[in-house]
Amino acid sequence: QVQLQQWGAGQLKPSETLSLTCAVSGGSFTDYYWNWIRQPPGKGLEWIGQIHHSGVTYYNPSLKSRVTIFVDPSKRQFSLRMTSVTAADTATYFCARENWLDVWGQGTTVTVSS
Amino acid sequence: DIQMTQSPSTLSASVGDRVTITCRASQNINRYLAWFQQKPGRAPKLLIYKASSLEDEVPSRFSGRGSGTEFTLTIISLQPDDFATYYCQQYITYPWTFGQGTKVEI
Repeated sequence: QVQLQQWGAGQLKPSETLSLTCAVSGGSFTDYYWNWIRQPPGKGLEWIGQIHHSGVTYYNPSLKSRVTIFVDPSKRQFSLRMTSVTAADTATYFCARENWLDVWGQGTTVTVSS
Repeated sequence: DIQMTQSPSTLSASVGDRVTITCRASQNINRYLAWFQQKPGRAPKLLIYKASSLEDEVPSRFSGRGSGTEFTLTIISLQPDDFATYYCQQYITYPWTFGQGTKVEI
């Protein structure tokens, strides 16, 4: 059974860098694309970007200038880095598998506040 | 970006009701549409992919239909566990985009 376990800092100050990691257990790591999605409090879902084990990435243009997604296939992990965060980046961040998002991590709440 | 519009935004229903949620895409997405259920404080759960394929272990009272720009999610005989927020998502063109959500409440 595939499981995604994610972690990272939950409290950030404006202008800091958000860093989250998602570890994949069970199933194949190389056969799928891996995603990051976020959800501001009380709002809907926003897709951030996607990576393949080969390193190929796709980003949401609205965030592309601040976002990097990278992968470590040897550890079966992929990570999100977002620079220059503001209060507008306060959200729960999720990792998820494949284009139709069939398996999700538990979510990490990130709060940006001075 | 492809805009996904769900209706209604809120739906009041009772246990046993049949409910239908509509999702419209701003351009043709063929059948590259997924439906999710989300409960407060939890990650979304995939219900339907490829517009009408039921994900494993999802009850058969959930069904999806449509292609092109108009899609529906139907729940026959609503159960207490089904009161939640539902989202559609297109995955034919980057960036993937979601509908704004439909809250199904008592």
